[in-house]
Amino acid sequence: AQSVTQLDSQVPVFEEAPVELRCNYSSSVSVYLFWYVQYPNQGLQLLLKYLSGSTLVKGINGFEAEFNKSQTSFHLRKPSVHISDTAEYFCAVSGAAGNKLTFGGGTRVLVKP
Amino acid sequence: GAGVSQSPSNKVTEKGKDVELRCDPISGHTALYWYRQSLGQGLEFLIYFQGNSAPDKSGLPSDRFSAERTGGSVSTLTIQRTQQEDSAVYLCASSPQGVGTEAFFGQGTRLTVV
Repeated sequence: AQSVTQLDSQVPVFEEAPVELRCNYSSSVSVYLFWYVQYPNQGLQLLLKYLSGSTLVKGINGFEAEFNKSQTSFHLRKPSVHISDTAEYFCAVSGAAGNKLTFGGGTRVLVKP
Repeated sequence: GAGVSQSPSNKVTEKGKDVELRCDPISGHTALYWYRQSLGQGLEFLIYFQGNSAPDKSGLPSDRFSAERTGGSVSTLTIQRTQQEDSAVYLCASSPQGVGTEAFFGQGTRLTVV
């Protein structure tokens, strides 16, 4: 079975500071990894995804994530956050169980001025 | 083209009544998911349909919950004898066939049981 752990439930951060959201996964097969963002009162949208190739993946809004197979991690980073980055971020994995997407518990980011 | 459509967007129901939530996935998408998101909580997986395979119902919290997907397209999530703890946003997502494909989410149905 596959699973995803997001180690931080909440991350407060000041505007223009960097942020890193941690995601670890477990799976017995090759994985595909995703980060989704949910802005307040909105649905989820894809930030970025890793399928294969370069382990550093760039997404929308200046976010990037690095796939680390040995550490089974896919941490999300942004070098300088904006107030508009206040949202909940979800890490997800697929690759087993008929390609079903499994989500982590989410990390709520609150950007302070 | 159109995205994932969910209806109604909001539903208020009395405790003990049955409710049906509808999801219209993106045309041609073979996979369909239902999730529940309670206030301030993460995504709780409910059920997963993939093509003609038997659905993965492992996330349904009780036998009051059921879902069907007709003709490989529209899905209905039914909650019988609703309870106050069923109040949440119910999210539907669909994805196309193929490995590593992303899921596209609807805006959700906000269910309030009073």
